[in-house]
Amino acid sequence: NAGVTQTPKFQVLKTGQSMTLQCAQDMNHEYMSWYRQDPGMGLRLIHYSVGAGITDQGEVPNGYNVSRSTTEDFPLRLLSAAPSQTSVYFCASRPGRNNSPLHFGNGTRLTVT
Amino acid sequence: GESVGLHLPTLSVQEGDNSIINCAYSNSASDYFIWYKQESGKGPQFIIDIRSNMDKRQGQRVTVLLNKTVKHLSLQIAATQPGDSAVYFCAENLYSSASKIIFGSGTRLSIRP
Repeated sequence: NAGVTQTPKFQVLKTGQSMTLQCAQDMNHEYMSWYRQDPGMGLRLIHYSVGAGITDQGEVPNGYNVSRSTTEDFPLRLLSAAPSQTSVYFCASRPGRNNSPLHFGNGTRLTVT
Repeated sequence: GESVGLHLPTLSVQEGDNSIINCAYSNSASDYFIWYKQESGKGPQFIIDIRSNMDKRQGQRVTVLLNKTVKHLSLQIAATQPGDSAVYFCAENLYSSASKIIFGSGTRLSIRP
């Protein structure tokens, strides 16, 4: 049971490039989400999904796209990277019921130059 | 040692003393609260949670207190150890949007030998 797995761990992009951050969980969790964490700040919600085929926007969705074709995977796409997207990105999941804690991956550190 | 909400981002505590980390939340509709610990280079790790129908919950060396009247949450760590050094985040689940867990900006706990 690996929990939440994020790849890659590190990535450097040039402005305007696109890429996909991968997230997979093996706990059969219905709910998955993406957060970004900037230095000295808390985690801000980008997008989330309550189940396969369903996604919704969080606090800071602009510049990011998501899809949820399977229960296990929830990729985050940057269509045209900007320096403001330099951050550490965390994927998290939890069972579908409310009042349960999120389980986090170890993050992807993204630098956009 | 004691910190007050998010306005004092660092807390220094003598090893063996008790630590108290405070958090003020803003949404009276929040019905579920979680404390996370984040070590350098890792994702947030669940510590303890509490539902809004409770005012206290205890775990191993940790206690969470909830005061809904003043919208205040605290994490108490007994007999603080060097391994407790980390950034601690409180998070709230917004009942009005049951799928959103919103994080505070965190408190860094450092342990003096």
